[in-house]
Parts: sequence; structure tokens; C-alpha cells
Amino acid sequence: GENVEQHPSTLSVQEGDSAVIKCTYSDSASNYFPWYKQELGKGPQLIIDIRSNVGEKKDQRIAVTLNKTAKHFSLHITETQPEDSAVYFCAASLSRGGFKTIFGAGTRLFVKA
Amino acid sequence: DAGVIQSPRHEVTEMGQEVTLRCKPISGHDYLFWYRQTMMRGLELLIYFNNNVPIDDSGMPEDRFSAKMPNASFSTLKIQPSEPRDSAVYFCASSRNSYRSYEQYFGPGTRLTVT
Repeated sequence: GENVEQHPSTLSVQEGDSAVIKCTYSDSASNYFPWYKQELGKGPQLIIDIRSNVGEKKDQRIAVTLNKTAKHFSLHITETQPEDSAVYFCAASLSRGGFKTIFGAGTRLFVKA
Repeated sequence: DAGVIQSPRHEVTEMGQEVTLRCKPISGHDYLFWYRQTMMRGLELLIYFNNNVPIDDSGMPEDRFSAKMPNASFSTLKIQPSEPRDSAVYFCASSRNSYRSYEQYFGPGTRLTVT
């Protein structure tokens, strides 16, 4: 089955710096890669996603890149702000025939003011 | 819309007791997911339904766990008998089958403590 590995487990940056979180997946059939942000005491919330037919997607300060050949995808947050502090999860999903989504272990991001 | 609703928000029970967690998905969503989150194992998919039918329950840890979805607006996750290692936060999420978006909307979770 699908396995998603995520690094680093903890990331601390200064406000204004960039943060990068990297994930790898094992099932080459996976075709949908969402990123979720989880704040303390809440459920995860989608912040950006990318499909296998796209190499890069950007939404304001957040961007995601996908390398299908290497089975890598990454989240980039620029100009980090204290409110970006949270746990971030990458995930891989096969959208055909169902929505089985496998999540990475999560990255706890600290943005220091 | 009120979003995904889960109840109770917190549950404390003794080992051996039956626990029932409840979920109301967003109206119009045809996929419903149950996840378990722990520090050790992260966010694990337990089971998911499509149009009230269980599609994949391979993540259900043991026969002590069961899930039902009697209609499009209600689902339950039951643990009988409960054990201390079942302590976790249980999330329900729902999604609409749409080519435009596969976003899963998560509820606030139920924090279960089994003593």
C-alpha cells in the first residue's frame, strides 16, 4: 500500500524567513497530493493541493512542487508569519475508485517573532 | 454550513466500556472518513464510506472497532470493549466527489481517554 514519509518532523524559522517541508510517496499510481494545516485543538484544514498532471502550484505565500519521477513533493512557505505556526501534513491519494488518503507524520512549524 | 459536526468533543471512559462516537457530515458530501490521531502513529485512516457504503475498512485496528453510516447525514464509530491504547483523537471528515476539488473537511475531533 501507499506510504508517505515527511521531513523534517520539527522546523523552527525566524519570522520572514522561508520554510520548506518535503515528502516522498511510494505508490506511483497516486495522483492527488494535498497539504493540510492543523492548529492546536482543531481538525486539519486544506491549504493547497496539487494533481499529478501539474508540476507546481502557487497560492500567495504558499507553493507546492511535485516531481513524479522521483515521487517527491514539497511545500514552500515564504515570508513566514507567527500565525503560520502549526502542524503541517502532506498526503497522497488515488482519486480513482475512491479517496483513500495516506498522511505523512506531520511537521511542527514554529515561526519565531 | 455548520461544517462537520462531531460528538462528544471529549469522552473519558473506563477500560471495557463501550464507546460510541458520532459524526454529521456536511450536507451534500458523499464521502465520509474516520481517522485516528496519536503522537506515536500520526493520522491514520480507519474507514471510509461512499454514499453510505463502506469502501475500505482496512485501517480498522481490530474487531473491537465498528463503523456504520445508516444515512447520508449520520455516522458512528463504536469501540467495544475499549482499551487504554484506544486513547486518541478521532476525526471525522467529509468530501464531495467532484473533479474540481477533493478537499476533505475535518470535524473538530473527539478526544477519547480510556482509563
